Amino acid sequence: NAGVTQTPKFRVLKTGQSMTLLCAQDMNHEYMYWYRQDPGMGLRLIHYSVGEGTTAKGEVPDGYNVSRLKKQNFLLGLESAAPSQTSVYFCASRTPGGSYGYTFGSGTRLTVV
Amino acid sequence: DAKTTQPTSMDCAEGRAANLPCNHSTISGNEYVYWYRQIHSQGPQYIIHGLKNNETNEMASLIITEDRKSSTLILPHATLRDTAVYYCIVRAKEGTDKLIFGTGTRLQVFP
Repeated sequence: NAGVTQTPKFRVLKTGQSMTLLCAQDMNHEYMYWYRQDPGMGLRLIHYSVGEGTTAKGEVPDGYNVSRLKKQNFLLGLESAAPSQTSVYFCASRTPGGSYGYTFGSGTRLTVV
Repeated sequence: DAKTTQPTSMDCAEGRAANLPCNHSTISGNEYVYWYRQIHSQGPQYIIHGLKNNETNEMASLIITEDRKSSTLILPHATLRDTAVYYCIVRAKEGTDKLIFGTGTRLQVFP
């Protein structure tokens, strides 16, 4: 049981490049989330999904797109990366009403130069 | 979701109890108090949650005041590995509400 797995762990992008971050969970969780964390700050919600085929915007959605084609996967896309998107990205999942809260991945450290 | 207020940082000697306070004066009746921690650059880790009764698990205890406007997370015997940022969050347990993080309390456990 791997929990929540994020790939890649590290990435350096040039401004304007695109990339997709993958989040996979093997706990059959309905809800999945993408957060970003900048230095010295708490996590901020980018997008989330309450089920396969559904997505919704969080606090800071601009510049990102997401897709949830399969229940176990939640993809975060950057179409045209900007230096302001340099951050650590965390994926999380949970089950509705779950007693143990959210399960987080170990993060993806993205640098845009 | 209600906002929370936590001290920016705290110190605790190894082996002693660490008591981390949190104010959530605007909490509503259906909102739970959740605690998470983030060790270094890892993903946040769930610790405990409660509604109005005190809760205890293998990691910590959670004391919620009777008026529910504040709570305290207690690590009974802090170790160096408990050095982390601790987040107090209030949200409804059901529904699709998001987990909104503040800046948390940075706990430093020293030898």
